[in-house]
Amino acid sequence: GAVVSQHPSWVICKSGTSVKIECRSLDFQATTMFWYRQFPKQSLMLMATSNEGSKATYEQGVEKDKFLINHASLTLSTLTVTSAHPEDSSFYICSASLGTGYGYTFGSGTRLTVV
Amino acid sequence: KQEVTQIPAALSVPEGENLVLNCSFTDSAIYNLQWFRQDPGKGLTSLLLIQSSQREQTSGRLNASLDKSSGRSTLYIAASQPGDSATYLCAVIALIFGKGTTLSVSS
Repeated sequence: GAVVSQHPSWVICKSGTSVKIECRSLDFQATTMFWYRQFPKQSLMLMATSNEGSKATYEQGVEKDKFLINHASLTLSTLTVTSAHPEDSSFYICSASLGTGYGYTFGSGTRLTVV
Repeated sequence: KQEVTQIPAALSVPEGENLVLNCSFTDSAIYNLQWFRQDPGKGLTSLLLIQSSQREQTSGRLNASLDKSSGRSTLYIAASQPGDSATYLCAVIALIFGKGTTLSVSS
């Protein structure tokens, strides 16, 4: 089955620093990956669609310069939170799909705390 | 715009009880529907995927149904156990169409 690995599971960083989160498809190739953000007791909000070899597509209201997405290979997408601030503290989750009709597999999430 | 609603937001049941979770969506033009489970502080685990052409899927004590015409899906959990405690999420994968391009080719 499709497995998506996400690292790190949690990270604490200081305000103003940048944090990189990795999302890997372990046993399949994913030309498209998705990045979500989840606040406590709320559902997932799609941030952006990561496309291999091209620019990511950001949802309305998501700052592309703050949340840099790189999808350099068919098995790896990275989300970099630049110049992080406490309000960026959240749970970030990525997902990918084997393809049409296979549904979506999610990573285990990354808890980001900015202090 | 597609909206997905799950009611109730919270549910408490005694062990052993059968229960039904509801999911409704506003636009029936969906490709498929997926039920997930999320444990606190964790990612999402896929439970069941229902293709748009299917009406239900079963896995162990779980049974999910899909009624596209009424915009509803239910997740039935039989003989609930303490280990079933989690947040259950439904997600629709929709076909979203543009307005189209009318092409006319002159001879």
